[in-house]
Amino acid sequence: NAGVTQTPKFQVLKTGQSMTLQCAQDMNHEYMSWYRQDPGMGLRLIHYSVGAGITDQGEVPNGYNVSRSTTEDFPLRLLSAAPSQTSVYFCASGKGLGDTQYFGPGTRLTVL
Amino acid sequence: QKEVEQDPGPLSVPEGAIVSLNCTYSNSAFQYFMWYRQYSRKGPELLMYTYSSGNKEDGRFTAQVDKSSKYISLFIRDSQPSDSATYLCAMTGVSSGSARQLTFGSGTQLTVLP
Repeated sequence: NAGVTQTPKFQVLKTGQSMTLQCAQDMNHEYMSWYRQDPGMGLRLIHYSVGAGITDQGEVPNGYNVSRSTTEDFPLRLLSAAPSQTSVYFCASGKGLGDTQYFGPGTRLTVL
Repeated sequence: QKEVEQDPGPLSVPEGAIVSLNCTYSNSAFQYFMWYRQYSRKGPELLMYTYSSGNKEDGRFTAQVDKSSKYISLFIRDSQPSDSATYLCAMTGVSSGSARQLTFGSGTQLTVLP
């Protein structure tokens, strides 16, 4: 099992550009989520999904879109990048409520 | 006020020391408590998982939950340089608004000196 994979590992964008961060898992987990990690702020939930076709907002959803067309994939789209979105982004998956969340290796994003 | 408070450190201890890491929280709906370890430039990995109050031991690691005080702890015995990492507490509950959402502390950076 590859677990949770994320691409790209690093990305530099200019303000106003859009891009998609990819996340995939091969553990057949229903629950997937996106977090951003900033110094002193810990991990903050952006969006999550409890199954294919079902998504919901987390703590900091503004400026991000998600969709879940398959169990395996959960891409995160930045609509119009802003410097405030400079962060490390982690995707995670798990079986469900209260269950262990497995994290990907992260994507380091810089917005100039 | 954050829902979960964690002293960011940094914490530096000699090899072999007992390490105590702590978090406090304000949401009484939290029932599942976890500790994640995150090495530099890596994703978090689950270290300990407990449900409700009590203790759980796994090798050199012990997790404690005191729901009456809204306080959780992670103890590391015989600490090793390989334990040097950032430790994040996390918790979630069953009520709407916190269901399926992990709330994290900001993490404590630990260095174990050889």
